[in-house]
Amino acid sequence: NAGVMQNPRHLVRRRGQEARLRCSPMKGHSHVYWYRQLPEEGLKFMVYLQKENIIDESGMPKERFSAEFPKEGPSILRIQQVVRGDSAAYFCASSPPFGTGDGYTFGSGTRLTVV
Amino acid sequence: GNSVTQMEGPVTLSEEAFLTINCTYTATGYPSLFWYVQYPGEGLQLLLKATKADDKGSNKGFEATYRKETTSFHLEKGSVQVSDSAVYFCALDAGGTSYGKLTFGQGTILTVHP
Repeated sequence: NAGVMQNPRHLVRRRGQEARLRCSPMKGHSHVYWYRQLPEEGLKFMVYLQKENIIDESGMPKERFSAEFPKEGPSILRIQQVVRGDSAAYFCASSPPFGTGDGYTFGSGTRLTVV
Repeated sequence: GNSVTQMEGPVTLSEEAFLTINCTYTATGYPSLFWYVQYPGEGLQLLLKATKADDKGSNKGFEATYRKETTSFHLEKGSVQVSDSAVYFCALDAGGTSYGKLTFGQGTILTVHP
């Protein structure tokens, strides 16, 4: 039973390029959450998605960031026109419906470096 | 809003020493409280949890008690090992309108020397 799979593990982008981060939830999990970890900080909530539906995007920056969780395939976090300040570790978690914190399973993260 | 404050780190201990990492929180209602551990290069793993006042969560020799009167959830271990070296995060799940959203502390780096 594979856990939450994130890819790529490491991603390097030049300023102005686009970054696409992928997250495949655990089997049987229909809810996906994205968190961002800036250097030497805790994780900050970004967005909560169900299949084809954004439930809560209160932590997403207003511009350049978007997320989706299509009916088929992984959840995608997309960052357009990346800037140095986007360099961080991005973690995805999944849960079954109505999961609480102990129902979350985290992936190993994607470490984005903007040069 | 909800918030979690952890003691400043990093924490450096010798093997078999006693560990305490302080965590206090601010939340409306009755949140669930968690400790997560992050080993180098890996994602977060749930270490222990408590869902109501006076609950004690425990796992792998670690313990934390949900103290509503002091809004605290301090992590303790009686005898640390080198393999416990990691980053420890305190977190809360406030539920209700915050459903699905964990609030994390800033993390405490623990290094245990032989």
